[in-house]
Amino acid sequence: GQSLEQPSEVTAVEGAIVQINCTYQTSGFYGLSWYQQHDGGAPTFLSYNGLDGLEETGRFSSFLSRSDSYGYLLLQELQMKDSASYFCAVPNQAGTALIFGKGTTLSVSS
Amino acid sequence: DGGITQSPKYLFRKEGQNVTLSCEQNLNHDAMYWYRQDPGQGLRLIYYSQIVNDFQKGDIAEGYSVSREKKESFPLTVTSAQKNPTAFYLCASSINSGETEQYFGPGTRLTVT
Repeated sequence: GQSLEQPSEVTAVEGAIVQINCTYQTSGFYGLSWYQQHDGGAPTFLSYNGLDGLEETGRFSSFLSRSDSYGYLLLQELQMKDSASYFCAVPNQAGTALIFGKGTTLSVSS
Repeated sequence: DGGITQSPKYLFRKEGQNVTLSCEQNLNHDAMYWYRQDPGQGLRLIYYSQIVNDFQKGDIAEGYSVSREKKESFPLTVTSAQKNPTAFYLCASSINSGETEQYFGPGTRLTVT
């Protein structure tokens, strides 16, 4: 089967840097994705890592280590609007749909 | 503007009634998905469709049914057999099945009493 583990909650202050970790167990691996969801809203795609290393998109970066079955989302220069839930996701065994982690709720305070 | 629409935003039903949730997309995407979200549970896959007239069960398909008669539409029926139907339901689409970037609708919050 496939499973993903991520912390349930993370707190930080404005301007800080926070890292949200994700470990996964899959029978096949096609890459790790990250999504953001504000309370009551729709999830939106943030990033994808198909190969090892760091991918940077503005204030957000995502890292993958396939040998460790591990990835993380790094959020820099935190802003209040970054308060949201963040989900990591991997394709299912057939590669036809995504399996999501339970999400990490990030609370940013001033 | 291209996107995914779900209606209604809030839906209330009595126990024992079937209810159908609407999902429409004009992105010309082949694949569509239905997820259920409960507090602390993340997004759980109910059904997905890779192409018109085709669909597959996800992890929690029991008590649900779908159809895909048109590329743009993927309605979800929550049947009376679903034991705990109260939840937030999200529809998504992607260019092809298995794409890592999915586009989500605004969701329908279903309350069954």
